[in-house]
Amino acid sequence: EVHLLESGGGLVQPGGSLRLSCVASGFTFSSYVMTWVRQVPGKGLERVSVIISSGGDTFYADSVKGRFTISRDNSKNTLYLQMNSLGVEDTAVYYCARGQRWSDYWGQGTLVSVSS
Amino acid sequence: QSALTQPPSASGSPGQSVTISCTGTSSDVDDYKYVSWYQQLPGKAPKLIIYEVNKRPSGVPDRFSGSKSGNTASLTVSGLQAEDEADYYCSSYAGSSNLLFGGGTKLTVL
Repeated sequence: EVHLLESGGGLVQPGGSLRLSCVASGFTFSSYVMTWVRQVPGKGLERVSVIISSGGDTFYADSVKGRFTISRDNSKNTLYLQMNSLGVEDTAVYYCARGQRWSDYWGQGTLVSVSS
Repeated sequence: QSALTQPPSASGSPGQSVTISCTGTSSDVDDYKYVSWYQQLPGKAPKLIIYEVNKRPSGVPDRFSGSKSGNTASLTVSGLQAEDEADYYCSSYAGSSNLLFGGGTKLTVL
């Protein structure tokens, strides 16, 4: 059974940093494109970052480009999102999700709150 | 503003059918066959219910169906059940790993 488990969310002050992790199980992690999608509470979904299976290519939404860095460790079946220079507009639930053209599996999400 | 346009709400009585639209542009919905739909129950993560316009993942009831015409995609839920009450999001691949989402439609079963 495919399982994605995020961690690392929490309360951070504006300008601060957080690192999210997503541990994958139940499938060959190194064979799949992985993504981070966020959702402001009560609002819609936004794909913020993508990394190909080898980790050699990445994509970022304009809203996070230059501030967020996606990475993966295929030996640990783990996806990461390093978030720097956080602003209140980054407050959201962050999901890791599998797949490039659609997302067939999602984690349960981790809440990131940016507030002073 | 969301990249794809969905009605904010839809409703129907048990047993009825309801269709939710999703309008994009010639650069996304009309240009790719990769339209997908997600069901999100309150407090839960999104769940994939339709991919590649009209394909259902294993375990998704055939009451859920998808279609596309030009730059507008549609999700139809037939034989509405109380458990179908949820938020529904469409998405379309737009190339270069860019996946666009609609703003979501809250489906109410009357």
